[in-house]
Amino acid sequence: KAGVTQTPRYLIKTRGQQVTLSCSPISGHRSVSWYQQTPGQGLQFLFEYFSETQRNKGNFPGRFSGRQFSNSRSEMNVSTLELGDSALYLCASSLQGAGNQPQHFGDGTRLSIL
Amino acid sequence: AQSVSQHNHHVILSEAASLELGCNYSYGGTVNLFWYVQYPGQHLQLLLKYFSGDPLVKGIKGFEAEFIKSKFSFNLRKPSVQWSDTAEYFCAVNAKVTNAGKSTFGDGTTLTVKP
Repeated sequence: KAGVTQTPRYLIKTRGQQVTLSCSPISGHRSVSWYQQTPGQGLQFLFEYFSETQRNKGNFPGRFSGRQFSNSRSEMNVSTLELGDSALYLCASSLQGAGNQPQHFGDGTRLSIL
Repeated sequence: AQSVSQHNHHVILSEAASLELGCNYSYGGTVNLFWYVQYPGQHLQLLLKYFSGDPLVKGIKGFEAEFIKSKFSFNLRKPSVQWSDTAEYFCAVNAKVTNAGKSTFGDGTTLTVKP
C-alpha cells in the first residue's frame, strides 16, 4: 500500500508570491490534515479535511487555505508569502479521522521563502 | 485548549543505556495519546498509542509508555537503547471528543545514541 505522497518535495519562493502544495493520502483514507513544522514551534496544526469539508482549523491566518477533492487528495495554498512561512509542511491521513486512529505522515514539502 | 510539553529537547545516551522521555499534557477531558518517531531522512511514524485500558502500552522496537492520569503524563521508556534509536520523538494528544485529525504535538525530543 502506497504511503502518503506530498508534492513537490522542495519549493523556493519569494515574499508576496503564493504557493500550492499537494497531498495524496493512503488509499481509503478520508481524513487529511496539514501541519507546519518549524525548529522553534514544532508541529502546528493547520487544518483537517474530511469528505471535502474542512472539519477542524488551527490558529493560522486566512492566507493559509486548503481544499479536498472527491478522491480525498488535498491541496494547501498559502498566499502573500512571508519569510516566516518558511517551514516543512506535513500532510497526514487517517481512515476516518477518529480520535483512536493514528495519523500517517508524508515526507513533507520544504518551503523556503527568500 | 490542549497543550503538550516535552521536557527534554535533546538527550544524549550511550548504547545500552536506559531511556525515559517525559511528556505532559494539559487538557481537562479524556484523551488519546501517541508517540511518533522521525528517524533521520524519514517521515514521522507511529511508535505507540494509548486509547483506553491498560495504562502501560507497548510499541514497536521495544518501546513502551505509561499513562498516569493523575499526573497528566505519558512518558516513553526503553530499557536499553541502540544506535539505531537515534531520532526525534514527538508526543501527541487529541481529545476524545474531537478526532485524530486535530492532534496537538509537543516540540519534540532529539535523541542521540552514541555507539
